[in-house]
Amino acid sequence: DIQMNQSPSSLSASLGDTITITCHASQNINVWLSWYQQKPGNIPKLLIYKASNLHTGVPSRFSGSGSGTGFTLTISSLQPEDIATYYCQQGQSYPLTFGAGTKLELK
Amino acid sequence: QIQLVQSGPELKKPGETVKISCKASGYTFTDYSMHWVKQAPGKGLKWMGWINTETGEPTYADDFKGRFAFSLETSASTAYLQINNLKNEDTATYFCAIDYDGFAYWGQGTLVTVSA
Repeated sequence: DIQMNQSPSSLSASLGDTITITCHASQNINVWLSWYQQKPGNIPKLLIYKASNLHTGVPSRFSGSGSGTGFTLTISSLQPEDIATYYCQQGQSYPLTFGAGTKLELK
Repeated sequence: QIQLVQSGPELKKPGETVKISCKASGYTFTDYSMHWVKQAPGKGLKWMGWINTETGEPTYADDFKGRFAFSLETSASTAYLQINNLKNEDTATYFCAIDYDGFAYWGQGTLVTVSA
């Protein structure tokens, strides 16, 4: 199984900051990496697919990069509505696996 | 627009069976496989497996082999997740989702609570 190591597990930031979350795959997953945002009590929301493609309707302050085993999610100019937990997920092979999540909080 | 609507919350006793439904609309049901994801209270997302909506063939992640069953009612554009012999650790929210360049569409989740 492909393990997805996501860091940090929690992050405290201020409004307007640029933050980066990283995800490392235990083996090559090419660009088969998605990022999700989940707010408490809500369903996960797709932000990025195929490592760097912005899903429809997602603000452009979100961006993704990487390929192979290393990936990043960047949020530029942090907004109050970005406070959530973020997950990466590999789609290279079954079983599909998620990172453990990064809880983003306001400083 | 694509929608996945799941059945309501369930309260069950250990050893009982639960069957959750996920009704799809806004697309051709057989065009996309249906996946199931578990989220225990306060925990992360765990992929349970998927069902081929064309053939009905299910595939289970290792932790979900044995007591878990995916099925379809294609004429009703509905997928089902059945959990047999429920255990306390099955208490979770269960999501259906379709893989459309990532899990772009999710059901609203069904909370299953297992308690004596």
